[in-house]
Amino acid sequence: GAGVSQSPSNKVTEKGKDVELRCDPISGHTALYWYRQSLGQGLEFLIYFQGNSAPDKSGLPSDRFSAERTGGSVSTLTIQRTQQEDSAVYLCASSSGKGTATNYGYTFGSGTRLTVV
Amino acid sequence: AQKVTQAQTEISVVEKEDVTLDCVYETRDTTYYLFWYKQPPSGELVFLIRRNSFDEQNEISGRYSWNFQKSTSSFNFTITASQVVDSAVYFCALSLGSGYSTLTFGKGTMLLVSP
Repeated sequence: GAGVSQSPSNKVTEKGKDVELRCDPISGHTALYWYRQSLGQGLEFLIYFQGNSAPDKSGLPSDRFSAERTGGSVSTLTIQRTQQEDSAVYLCASSSGKGTATNYGYTFGSGTRLTVV
Repeated sequence: AQKVTQAQTEISVVEKEDVTLDCVYETRDTTYYLFWYKQPPSGELVFLIRRNSFDEQNEISGRYSWNFQKSTSSFNFTITASQVVDSAVYFCALSLGSGYSTLTFGKGTMLLVSP
């Protein structure tokens, strides 16, 4: 597609439930990133996929968080047994890794606003 | 490890004022990239600029200008003659030399431009 698509745009879930957040990157972008934006905080890196390489999971805050990327395209971020502190906006970005003079190729989606009640 | 500091949490100005958003970064790497993003109320991050560590030339794009100074590890952003539509949260970010490196963001500066 023309941009990075994330779904759902909003998700309200009960504490303890599992949630899945989806990211559809720009076609042909080999790199995909997940970030989390909590209230009053900057954007926190979660996980990064690059082609067929093993993902960089160094930013995942706990083992309740996992992500996969199927066929080098769509990615799903799963949060198990959600907690109230998981409430945040989850942003996905994709990149071609090719820079130009005006754009480094990172394109962000509109995010999924997750609220855990 | 990399770090980006945006000391100004919130700035309020009146339309037509000039405003500078500060960004200070830390990295041991010699090859890196600096970015500014705008996040309007709609929530989507809008790319504004990327600079590499070897290019300290200042940049101007319309009402926007950026001042990169390696000596002070700063990459400040100035909006000239601010407008209400400039109201947003602005993020400074850094990535290392790889074309696929992750971004390290500052905590953002909320800019409110009043009519």
